[in-house]
Amino acid sequence: AQRVTQPEKLLSVFKGAPVELKCNYSYSGSPELFWYVQYSRQRLQLLLRHISRESIKGFTADLNKGETSFHLKKPFAQEEDSAMYYCALRGGRGGSNYKLTFGKGTLLTVNP
Amino acid sequence: NAGVTQTPKFRVLKTGQSMTLLCAQDMNHEYMYWYRQDPGMGLRLIHYSVGEGTTAKGEVPDGYNVSRLKKQNFLLGLESAAPSQTSVYFCASSYSHRQLSSYEQYFGPGTRLTVT
Repeated sequence: AQRVTQPEKLLSVFKGAPVELKCNYSYSGSPELFWYVQYSRQRLQLLLRHISRESIKGFTADLNKGETSFHLKKPFAQEEDSAMYYCALRGGRGGSNYKLTFGKGTLLTVNP
Repeated sequence: NAGVTQTPKFRVLKTGQSMTLLCAQDMNHEYMYWYRQDPGMGLRLIHYSVGEGTTAKGEVPDGYNVSRLKKQNFLLGLESAAPSQTSVYFCASSYSHRQLSSYEQYFGPGTRLTVT
């Protein structure tokens, strides 16, 4: 079974402060991890995926297989980062496992 | 390209009424999904489809039915709505493994459903 845990429902930081949204997963094989973001009243959109090793809007996330974590980080938060963030897991590479398992989400608020 | 669209955007139903939510995508995606989003519960998969004419149950399928008669459309039906089905419903689509190695899912704007 695959599971995604986001331990913080709410996270509040001040503008310019570093931010880290935590994500832990449970999966016995090699997972593919994603972060999706949902701005107020908008659709979910992909923020980044671990296989791309990219930085989007200043956010980065590193897959730590030893700690089974995929935390999302940004060194200096901006007010426009305020949104709901979902961590998601797809079990296995290639093949037929095309379903995503989502965490319950973390609502990030960046205060001025 | 419009991407993924959903109809309607809002709907209020009375208990026992039925309705169909329509999802359409113009990206030639093989896979399509229906999720519900509830506070504190995240997104939960209701049903999904890996191709025209095929559907399968997700995590929370009870009370819902789906059909994928055309590749670009995925319908979600509520035969007898219940207050527990008050939620925001999101449709998503993705390429298949045969089309592309990435399984990025593209989401629609959502349908806000209230059952009284």
